[in-house]
Amino acid sequence: NAGVTQTPKFQVLKTGQSMTLQCAQDMNHNSMYWYRQDPGMGLRLIYYSASEGTTDKGEVPNGYNVSRLNKREFSLRLESAAPSQTSVYFCASSETGLTNEKLFFGSGTQLSVL
Amino acid sequence: AQKVTQAQTEISVVEKEDVTLDCVYETRDTTYYLFWYKQPPSGELVFLIRRNSFDEQNEISGRYSWNFQKSTSSFNFTITASQVVDSAVYFCALSGQGVTGANNLFFGTGTRLTVIP
Repeated sequence: NAGVTQTPKFQVLKTGQSMTLQCAQDMNHNSMYWYRQDPGMGLRLIYYSASEGTTDKGEVPNGYNVSRLNKREFSLRLESAAPSQTSVYFCASSETGLTNEKLFFGSGTQLSVL
Repeated sequence: AQKVTQAQTEISVVEKEDVTLDCVYETRDTTYYLFWYKQPPSGELVFLIRRNSFDEQNEISGRYSWNFQKSTSSFNFTITASQVVDSAVYFCALSGQGVTGANNLFFGTGTRLTVIP
């Protein structure tokens, strides 16, 4: 039972570098999400994908891009990393994207931007 | 706008004590859903419970119970006879639409529970 798998688990970047966080789910879910978790701020939605082929901005999309490569995979890209993007990033998925659904989360990626 | 407040940042209890985690929410929606998630030291958030706004019945699941009161906009979580394995960060969350129209879960800032053996 893999569920939601994120890679890498840890990453250190220098300001201005780029990187892509990978996420895959094996539950045949339609909707996928990227959240960031910052101390004292809970989790905030960066982008989400209601279904394959669609993506939409969440609360804090600036500085990020996403790609829903197929039904299983949803990647998050930082084109030019900034120290403000130091955070823990979580990918999640849900069956259909309705507001009453529970989310299934990956184990997170701890990103530090120096 | 949706808002969730978890005023307790950190709580420490001795094993076997009962503990209540508070959650207060704000919304203008008439239909909404409330959730609790657990984040153990491994980091992955795990779903615990979901309630809809029309169902104010309290729920009990083993040592866990939840008290939903619309009159006070609260959805509190009680752990009875706490165990070391209950040590985690607990998040309360509220469904709704964000400013961009996206379906979203609005999370509180979390309560870190430490159960001391």
